[in-house]
Amino acid sequence: GAVVSQHPSRVICKSGTSVKIECRSLDFQATTMFWYRQFPKQSLMLMATSNEGSKATYEQGVEKDKFLINHASLTLSTLTVTSAHPEDSSFYICSARNDRDTEAFFGQGTRLTVV
Amino acid sequence: GQNIDQPTEMTATEGAIVQINCTYQTSGFNGLFWYQQHAGEAPTFLSYNVLDGLEEKGRFSSFLSRSKGYSYLLLKELQMKDSASYLCAVMDSNYQLIWGAGTKLIIKP
Repeated sequence: GAVVSQHPSRVICKSGTSVKIECRSLDFQATTMFWYRQFPKQSLMLMATSNEGSKATYEQGVEKDKFLINHASLTLSTLTVTSAHPEDSSFYICSARNDRDTEAFFGQGTRLTVV
Repeated sequence: GQNIDQPTEMTATEGAIVQINCTYQTSGFNGLFWYQQHAGEAPTFLSYNVLDGLEEKGRFSSFLSRSKGYSYLLLKELQMKDSASYLCAVMDSNYQLIWGAGTKLIIKP
């Protein structure tokens, strides 16, 4: 299957700082990328959907000014958690899809801990 | 509203067979996915069904009935490494994935 690389896998940051998470499709062009967060023992929660070259579509309740998403190319999307707080500590996962008829391939996930 | 239902937790014995059910009510249907997720890791793809019937892939099989809004994932010859959460997801008419809460499968020796 196609490979999606997410970096970093783990990050610890201080409260009030910003953290950037990268999601790259290594061997296909990802026209659509999805960003999820997952709290322990809970299912994936879609945060936003981004299409290359356009603004991301955020799910209800997700602050677009806090979770900045950039999908500048067909192989890279970034999620920046701005002014992070301990409650933002979570597992963040990206997935990418190259057309509407195929599965979404997942990155490895990023464990964010805000202290 | 859109809804995906699957059991919260199941327990099975090593070497046995287990069936994980998923029922769905979504606005449109463009396929159903099953993913496996080990604790602390991202989900990995298991199967995709868009037509009615059974799809077999090694020890794992997935079944779909669109008229009943029902799918199941069948795992045979269970191994300890199969202990994981199994996520059912349906792609709706907008090609968005609607996720179930996942079924935690516990395998006992």
